[in-house]
Amino acid sequence: QVTLRESGPALVKPTQTLTLTCTFSGFSLNTNGMCISWIRQPPGKALEWLAVIDWNDDKFYSTSLTTRLSISKDSATNQVVLTMTNMDPVDTATYFCARTPLHEIRVVEGGLHYSYFGMDVWGQGTTVTVSS
Amino acid sequence: DIQMTQSPSSLSTSVGDTVTIACRSSQSISTYLNWYQQRPGKAPKLLISRASNLRGGVPSRFSGSGSGTDFTLTISSLQPEDFATYYCQQSYSTPFTFGPGTKVDIK
Repeated sequence: QVTLRESGPALVKPTQTLTLTCTFSGFSLNTNGMCISWIRQPPGKALEWLAVIDWNDDKFYSTSLTTRLSISKDSATNQVVLTMTNMDPVDTATYFCARTPLHEIRVVEGGLHYSYFGMDVWGQGTTVTVSS
Repeated sequence: DIQMTQSPSSLSTSVGDTVTIACRSSQSISTYLNWYQQRPGKAPKLLISRASNLRGGVPSRFSGSGSGTDFTLTISSLQPEDFATYYCQQSYSTPFTFGPGTKVDIK
């Protein structure tokens, strides 16, 4: 059975750095094609994708948040960690991690193009409030 | 970034009705379009991957179609548990992007 679970602080102060951990089971992030994404959802608003990391340690980030985000993995402990610097009240949200299998990598002009399947298994989410 | 739009943003309907939700991408994404259902207070659930592939365990009243830039999610014979918010999402390339959501509620 594939499961993911998010953990981290429920409350952080403005300007602090947020560190969230996704602990997963039922699959290996060493398997070709396996990836994990982080997604967030402010209260009453839509989903926003943040970052993805793959079995090969390739990392991709949201364009608007790329300077504040860092994603890493520890395949031995089945964990993926997301850090977000300089937290602000607008970052108050529920943060989810989700398994995101890769579909294919194509060679295109300028490099490689990665395409994926949908995010097929999600954690329950962890709520983070940013307030002083 | 690829922009995703959905219409309508909300709709009120009845049990037994058929519902169609549209999703459009700002550039061609082939069939790399996924549909999620989210009930209040819950994590999203993947319903359909790659535009038309129904996930295991998802009722057959859900169907998806489209390619390129225009996609639809159809729910036939709506059931009480289908009242939720639905999101489309492109997985053609990073950064992934979601649509703004369509809330389906009871008339």
